[in-house]
Amino acid sequence: GIQVEQSPPDLILQEGANSTLRCNFSDSVNNLQWFHQNPWGQLINLFYIPSGTKQNGRLSATTVATERYSLLYISSSQTTDSGVYFCAVHTGGFKTIFGAGTRLFVKA
Amino acid sequence: ETGVTQTPRHLVMGMTNKKSLKCEQHLGHNAMYWYKQSAKKPLELMFVYSLEERVENNSVPSRFSPECPNSSHLFLHLHTLQPEDSALYLCASSQDQRGEQFFGPGTRLTVL
Repeated sequence: GIQVEQSPPDLILQEGANSTLRCNFSDSVNNLQWFHQNPWGQLINLFYIPSGTKQNGRLSATTVATERYSLLYISSSQTTDSGVYFCAVHTGGFKTIFGAGTRLFVKA
Repeated sequence: ETGVTQTPRHLVMGMTNKKSLKCEQHLGHNAMYWYKQSAKKPLELMFVYSLEERVENNSVPSRFSPECPNSSHLFLHLHTLQPEDSALYLCASSQDQRGEQFFGPGTRLTVL
């Protein structure tokens, strides 16, 4: 089946720094989502982005479907950005495959 | 209520108990999902219902039994669970198979 790999697995940033998280997938997908999981376990939708670039405040995402990767950019990071970031790809039918996540810690 | 809600938020049960998890979506979607998130593992898709019909069942043990009485409600009935079934169980909904998925807050289950 399709493989989804996220990098880096862990990331520590100083508040105010920028970062790029990557999601690689091994086959073509119908769409892709980015989520932020907060410390209480809630998955928060960040982007629904099968291709192209989207921006929402300090966050932006780019998916290059032909090259099978997506990037999540976080600018001017804040302590509230801490948590785990997941990408999830939707393949045929209703199948959804999550990556293992990037655990981010932003220091004050 | 808005979005996707789940009850209970926390559940502790013995291996011989029977319990049920409930999920309700207020988004008008027609597909609902159950996921399992174990420690140190990615989210795993368990079941999918589309228009109240089960369309995905990812080799989940029979001690987990889903039920979807209508497009707004989804249940996961639990019986004779094992300690390794302790996990965060997340419910999601979407509009059709390509729609954006929205998640509930999860039920944290501990099996003693």
